[in-house]
Amino acid sequence: GQQVMQIPQYQHVQEGEDFTTYCNSSTTLSNIQWYKQRPGGHPVFLIQLVKSGEVKKQKRLTFQFGEAKKNSSLHITATQTTDVGTYFCATPNDYKLSFGAGTTVTVRA
Amino acid sequence: DSGVTQTPKHLITATGQRVTLRCSPRSGDLSVYWYQQSLDQGLQFLIQYYNGEERAKGNILERFSAQQFPDLHSELNLSSLELGDSALYFCASSPHTDKSTEAFFGQGTRLTVV
Repeated sequence: GQQVMQIPQYQHVQEGEDFTTYCNSSTTLSNIQWYKQRPGGHPVFLIQLVKSGEVKKQKRLTFQFGEAKKNSSLHITATQTTDVGTYFCATPNDYKLSFGAGTTVTVRA
Repeated sequence: DSGVTQTPKHLITATGQRVTLRCSPRSGDLSVYWYQQSLDQGLQFLIQYYNGEERAKGNILERFSAQQFPDLHSELNLSSLELGDSALYFCASSPHTDKSTEAFFGQGTRLTVV
């Protein structure tokens, strides 16, 4: 089935800096979803991208779906301590929702 | 609050025992997923039900089973428990329409096998 690979696995960021996490697939994806899991919490849906080249913004978060619909990125600007957590991408495949391994973000104040 | 309810929140049990985890999906969601998350690990897909029927299976052990009832709540049964089964077990529900496949997760059940 479809699998998505996320890089990097860990991201250590200085507060105020920007960073990007990537989600890649070898096959074309119908859509890509992003979730955030805070430490000790549960995954929370952030956004879904469906169209080729789609870009969506949520405050300091920018999500992009590649033109070939095989990759996606999440860019966070001016990182804050509230951005700490693990960010997962996920893609539906038939009735299965497959998650990447996640990028765990820590922030240095 | 996602609207997905999981009980219990915590469970401590001994090896060899059997436990049942319960999930109530969001109102109107027909699809229920079960995931296992071990310490600092990703979300491992176990099984998925849609309107009472099993639709997808992941790497779920034979010792584990699940079902979705007519009222759409779901139960995950874990038997002959081993130390390695200690993990967070998440249930998620989804409308699972053509346009809406996002999943809403419950708070999880933390299972500790001693």
